[in-house]
Amino acid sequence: AQTVTQSQPEMSVQEAETVTLSCTYDTSESDYYLFWYKQPPSRQMILVIRQEAYKQQNATENRFSVNFQKAAKSFSLKISDSQLGDAAMYFCAYRSASGDDKIIFGKGTRLHILP
Amino acid sequence: DAGVIQSPRHEVTEMGQEVTLRCKPISGHNSLFWYRQTMMRGLELLIYFNNNVPIDDSGMPEDRFSAKMPNASFSTLKIQPSEPRDSAVYFCASSRMGQTYNEQFFGPGTRLTVL
Repeated sequence: AQTVTQSQPEMSVQEAETVTLSCTYDTSESDYYLFWYKQPPSRQMILVIRQEAYKQQNATENRFSVNFQKAAKSFSLKISDSQLGDAAMYFCAYRSASGDDKIIFGKGTRLHILP
Repeated sequence: DAGVIQSPRHEVTEMGQEVTLRCKPISGHNSLFWYRQTMMRGLELLIYFNNNVPIDDSGMPEDRFSAKMPNASFSTLKIQPSEPRDSAVYFCASSRMGQTYNEQFFGPGTRLTVL
């Protein structure tokens, strides 16, 4: 069974600085999708960024980018120029490409932005 | 485009009462997911439907929990009888199976408190 591990329950970063959130996963599949979701205090789950395992190029969405290391089964999220609005719980997630619709979520990392 | 709609947003009830949570997925989406989120257990998948058919209900905690999807635009999650340990935020999410990433879009959640 696939698992997703986020080893940092909480992190803090100074406003305008860069922070990297870690995520590792375990799977025997070769094709899959990875996601980062953000959950701010409003508790709305928001998709931040996504990556297909077969794409070697790391995904980027404005200030958010990932470092996808397939061999190491690592999928870290980098937030550049951190803003107060980035304060949230961040969830790493995995979905198989072979038909199963289920997404497996990590336990989350709570990110604090220090003014 | 309307997102996933959930009602009610907040529910406070007494132990032993029946609780019904409602969800309207995004139009055109054919997969629907019910999650429960607590501090202790994180985000748990309870059940998911594909084309209105329950595919995996292995996450449903007990027989007190039941879910239905009578049509493509409506689903309910029912707890009968409710217990204090059912207090949590319940999310509904939908996705469109067959698309490349098939990411899930979440509703705002229902915060359930059982006294």
